[in-house]
Amino acid sequence: EVQLVESGGGLVQPGRSLRLSCAASGFTFDSYALYWVRQAPGKGLEWVSGITWNSGNIGYADSVKGRFTISRDNAKNSLYLQMSSLRAEDMGLYYCAKDGIKYTISSHPHYMDVWGKGTTVTVSS
Amino acid sequence: QSVLTQPPSVSGAPGQRVTISCTGNSSNIGAGYDTHWYQQLPGTAPKLLIYGNNNRPSGVPDRFSGSKSGTSASLAITGLQAEDEADYYCQSYDSSLSGSVFGGGTRLTVL
Repeated sequence: EVQLVESGGGLVQPGRSLRLSCAASGFTFDSYALYWVRQAPGKGLEWVSGITWNSGNIGYADSVKGRFTISRDNAKNSLYLQMSSLRAEDMGLYYCAKDGIKYTISSHPHYMDVWGKGTTVTVSS
Repeated sequence: QSVLTQPPSVSGAPGQRVTISCTGNSSNIGAGYDTHWYQQLPGTAPKLLIYGNNNRPSGVPDRFSGSKSGTSASLAITGLQAEDEADYYCQSYDSSLSGSVFGGGTRLTVL
């Protein structure tokens, strides 16, 4: 079964850091680009960051550029999101998602065919 | 304010047909970038419903269909069922923003 499982969310104070992880199974991890998509409470979806299959191309939404860092470890079938200088507006459910096409060269998704259940980030003092 | 505009809500009775629009511009849908649709049932993660404007992943009923024309795309649901009650999102790429964009989402209510 193809699966993505996020972890690492929690309560953090404004200005602090947090690292999210996404463990993948059931597919050839190193063939696909991966993404982080977030959803603020009661709001819609927002693409946050993406990384190609070989980490050759990385992209960020303007709202997180310079504060968040995406990375992946193909040997561990894992995706990460290092978040720093967290703000209240970063609060929400963070999903890990997989591109539907192999070996894409863009850090932006074509379409996302597998999603994890998400991990919740709360930013509050 | 989302770059892709969707109606906040639509509704229909069981068995009816509903459509959800996704209006963009010449930098996204109108530029030829594909539109994809996701269904988010209450309390769950989004699920891919339509990709590449009008393609259904395996397992998605043929009651769901997508289309695209000019700067807009549409999702049609026929034979509406209670289990279709969910939020629906369109997604595309925007060249002026150099990024992937989502519509604001449409809540479907089955009366």
